Amino acid sequence: GAGVSQSPRYKVAKRGQDVALRCDPISGHVSLFWYQQALGQGPEFLTYFQNEAQLDKSGLPSDRFFAERPEGSVSTLKIQRTQQEDSAVYLCASSSTGNTEAFFGQGTRLTVV
Amino acid sequence: AQTVTQSQPEMSVQEAETVTLSCTYDTSESDYYLFWYKQPPSRQMILVIRQEAYKQQNATENRFSVNFQKAAKSFSLKISDSQLGDAAMYFCAYRSYYGQNFVFGPGTRLSVLP
Repeated sequence: GAGVSQSPRYKVAKRGQDVALRCDPISGHVSLFWYQQALGQGPEFLTYFQNEAQLDKSGLPSDRFFAERPEGSVSTLKIQRTQQEDSAVYLCASSSTGNTEAFFGQGTRLTVV
Repeated sequence: AQTVTQSQPEMSVQEAETVTLSCTYDTSESDYYLFWYKQPPSRQMILVIRQEAYKQQNATENRFSVNFQKAAKSFSLKISDSQLGDAAMYFCAYRSYYGQNFVFGPGTRLSVLP
């Protein structure tokens, strides 16, 4: 596609509900990142994929967060048993091999009520 | 671990004037990349400008330029001839030469006054 696409744009979840956030990176981009951005703050790293391999998941805040990229393209970030502190914008970014910059999607705003 | 600091939570500038946004970072590495990203209300992060640490020459992209001081670990962004469309959150970011992850600062909200 022309850019990184994320869906849904907005998600309201009741506390305790499971959610799945989708990221469709730019075609051919090897690297894929997930970031969490709390209101008024900078993005915080969650996890990184190179193709289908999850090479770094050090930023995932708890075992309720899980990410996958089974075929090396589309990625899903899953949050189980959502809590209010999970409310944030979740940004996805991708980059190609040898490219120093990352291209970001518009994010999914998750609100847990 | 690397850290990025932006000491100006908010800045404002008159249309057509020049403004400088500050960024400092902490790293023990010698090779890395620095970026300024713009985030408008649409939330999409847009790359403004990029600097390779091994290059002494400051990067320039049209009205945007940087002042990169490697020894001082400083990376400021200058916006000349400010336009209303420049109003946004601006994030300074660091990426290790051999790493993948980006480390972002807390951001500066820029307002452009007509």
